[in-house]
Amino acid sequence: EVQLVESGGGLVQPGRSLRLSCAASGFTFDDYAMHWVRQGPGKGLEWVSGISWNSGRIGYADSVKGRFTISRDNAKNSLHLQMSSLRAEDTALYYCVKGLTMIVETSSGLDVWGQGTTVTVSS
Amino acid sequence: DIQMTQSPSSLSASVGDRVTITCRASQSVSSYLNWYQQKPGKAPNLLIYVASSLESGVPSRFSGSGSGRDFTLTISGLQPEDFATYYCHQSFSLPHTFGQGTKLEIK
Repeated sequence: EVQLVESGGGLVQPGRSLRLSCAASGFTFDDYAMHWVRQGPGKGLEWVSGISWNSGRIGYADSVKGRFTISRDNAKNSLHLQMSSLRAEDTALYYCVKGLTMIVETSSGLDVWGQGTTVTVSS
Repeated sequence: DIQMTQSPSSLSASVGDRVTITCRASQSVSSYLNWYQQKPGKAPNLLIYVASSLESGVPSRFSGSGSGRDFTLTISGLQPEDFATYYCHQSFSLPHTFGQGTKLEIK
């Protein structure tokens, strides 16, 4: 069974850091691009970041550029999101998502979603 | 960044109806446009990818069309389980972007 399990969420003060992780199983991890998508309380979906199969191409939403860093460890079938200088507006459910293809540009949809990990930024 | 605009933002319809949701990109995304369904408290579910390809396991009453800047998602013969929120998503260029969502409610 294809599965993505996120971890690392929690309550954090503004300006602090947090590292999210995603454990992948049931598919050949290094054959696919991976992404983080978030959803604030009562809000729509926001694409946060994506990384190609070999980490050769990485992208970020303008709202997180310079503060968040995506990485992957193909040997451990894991995806990470290092979040720093957190703000109240970063409060959201963060989904780890598998792409349909290896690349992050001119690519197909996002076909497997985890259940998400909640990040709350508050003093 | 490419902006995605969905219309309408909300829609009321009855079981058996045919509904269409549109998505417009601020610049061409070729055919790299995808559609998702999300139900309350659940992760989104991919319905359509690259504008018109039906994801495996998705009922054939869902269909997508369009290219360039304008796209549509059509549901032919609404079923009770189709009442949900729908999002479009461009995967043409970085950063990817989503539409704001269309909430489909029962009339």
